Amino acid sequence: DTAVSQTPKYLVTQMGNDKSIKCEQNLGHDTMYWYKQDSKKFLKIMFSYNNKELIINETVPNRFSPKSPDKAHLNLHINSLELGDSAVYFCASSQEHGDISHFGEGSWLTVV
Amino acid sequence: QKEVEQNSGPLSVPEGAIASLNCTYSDRGSQSFFWYRQYSGKSPELIMFIYSNGDKEDGRFTAQLNKASQYVSLLIRDSQPSDSATYLCAVIPSNTGKLIFGQGTTLQVKP
Repeated sequence: DTAVSQTPKYLVTQMGNDKSIKCEQNLGHDTMYWYKQDSKKFLKIMFSYNNKELIINETVPNRFSPKSPDKAHLNLHINSLELGDSAVYFCASSQEHGDISHFGEGSWLTVV
Repeated sequence: QKEVEQNSGPLSVPEGAIASLNCTYSDRGSQSFFWYRQYSGKSPELIMFIYSNGDKEDGRFTAQLNKASQYVSLLIRDSQPSDSATYLCAVIPSNTGKLIFGQGTTLQVKP
């Protein structure tokens, strides 16, 4: 049973489209995150939610909008996709804020 | 100055040797330090965390923390080809709650 699951795993889409990535964790953790890993493999935090409340919002274009309907789910919606949005997006969770113990398998987004 | 710095490598060691991976961080007040392993095409996996100065051992892995020098390292004893991966150092700077990653060091263990 996967602790942190993301869908879809692969996504190829055209510039200008809107897409969503979903994440669910079954660990009972209070905090969930979105990280972006670029082509140089650098992992950068985008957002963090604690019990459905947004607590970290990095300098991310407002085309990216996270939503947490409950503490087990964190979704990422991206409007007007650009070529530079191509990356791997990882969802993660932790019990203590910041101490990430589990990552999802990643969502490979390619914008063409 | 980057918040967390690692040498990107690759670091190449023969099988059975000790691999030493190093990381420096910029925020002197940082309290929590982590090492993750990431195989190509996979997600990061937590290997170890360390909060106090000194050494922490777990199997073939030892994490070392020196807060005065703002330096954290990971030693892998008896390196195996299956240890070949990218090792990510991560730090939570003081009062941020944000886990900040270094760029990772690629380790190659040659049979």
